[in-house]
Amino acid sequence: DAGITQSPRHKVTETGTPVTLRCHQTENHRYMYWYRQDPGHGLRLIHYSYGVKDTDKGEVSDGYSVSRSKTEDFLLTLESATSSQTSVYFCAIQSNNEQFFGPGTRLTVL
Amino acid sequence: DQQVKQNSPSLSVQEGRISILNCDYTNSMFDYFLWYKKYPAEGPTFLISISSIKDKNEDGRFTVFLNKSAKHLSLHIVPSQPGDSAVYFCAASVYNQGGKLIFGQGTELSVKP
Repeated sequence: DAGITQSPRHKVTETGTPVTLRCHQTENHRYMYWYRQDPGHGLRLIHYSYGVKDTDKGEVSDGYSVSRSKTEDFLLTLESATSSQTSVYFCAIQSNNEQFFGPGTRLTVL
Repeated sequence: DQQVKQNSPSLSVQEGRISILNCDYTNSMFDYFLWYKKYPAEGPTFLISISSIKDKNEDGRFTVFLNKSAKHLSLHIVPSQPGDSAVYFCAASVYNQGGKLIFGQGTELSVKP
């Protein structure tokens, strides 16, 4: 258990509404990541952070933004949710050379 | 362009036998490889990893083999147990690039009693 929690665990929202997902870690890890998991695609990196206020894009960053104002929290925001953003979202931290994942957030955009 | 591929969406094995899960990659810059196991409604769990300077790494019932010339890695589970039934993802990264992982599509393993 790497001390990672995600909130909310489930969310249903409507197209065009803003959504923020939160990832919280308790062990002061520098690197944090947001992935989405979709059938046939495995997990794909959305954004990552290498420190407070230091973030960068992953392979599927369009339509998403992130913020990291504290070491322990990494927020993922969908400014205007679309149906194509229906997915399961996982947060991860890096410890040594491995990444450890949170329990996920299932987001449905109607 | 899928840089990491798991071409078998599913695999069924009898309890006690060997499970072999395969993964191919295209990017020769990858130098660290990992396997994750995922149960439904849970996050992926780290299983085992291998650096490109090695060709084999063992941890209990799990062994990962890396063939750099073929750009191929495999995960062997011996003996397979019903509790091993899950989706297995391979992932690859390049050292010093922020730890970003590129995942395969996953293989669903079913171990039958």
